[in-house]
Amino acid sequence: DTEVTQTPKHLVMGMTNKKSLKCEQHMGHRAMYWYKQKAKKPPELMFVYSYEKLSINESVPSRFSPECPNSSLLNLHLHALQPEDSALYLCASSQDRGLVRNTIYFGEGSWLTVV
Amino acid sequence: GQQVMQIPQYQHVQEGEDFTTYCNSSTTLSNIQWYKQRPGGHPVFLIQLVKSGEVKKQKRLTFQFGEAKKNSSLHITATQTTDVGTYFCAGRGAGGTSYGKLTFGQGTILTVHP
Repeated sequence: DTEVTQTPKHLVMGMTNKKSLKCEQHMGHRAMYWYKQKAKKPPELMFVYSYEKLSINESVPSRFSPECPNSSLLNLHLHALQPEDSALYLCASSQDRGLVRNTIYFGEGSWLTVV
Repeated sequence: GQQVMQIPQYQHVQEGEDFTTYCNSSTTLSNIQWYKQRPGGHPVFLIQLVKSGEVKKQKRLTFQFGEAKKNSSLHITATQTTDVGTYFCAGRGAGGTSYGKLTFGQGTILTVHP
């Protein structure tokens, strides 16, 4: 069982909708991540938060907006998505982004379908 | 930028046969992590290798990190149907613009025929 919890597990949204994905971890980790994964592909990094500050944005379109309200929570706000944005969205956390021995633990993901 | 190549892309084996997947990085890594993702599931952390030439074992799984810290392998002895899934390596950059960034290989999809 993963200690990174994501909600919802499944989400279907229209292209004009606004929705949010939520992630929570209680391992005391100070780095949190959003990844996007398409079928039969590896996870692609989208955003990294380190100590609640956005430290990496991998040139993600502005229709994806991350938010880190506190060290345990990470949100991904979605607005005006396209059908090609349908994918598995994975939240992950690690003790600290900069440590060499920095294991990243993934949540179970949110399956997003844009119609 | 940092690239991690993983081969083979697919591997079909009979139950009981061995399986190996290989990763090769374009740059020196500070460490490499291995994940397993079951069909319909999420990546689950298996192990992390940090030292040059490191070898670690988990039951039937053997993980190796190359002397130059640019390549790694995962070997499964006597596969079982429970080994089915996609195995990803993920290398962490050692310096420059790659520092700290985790780059995933493309993954090897393993199917095991009973």
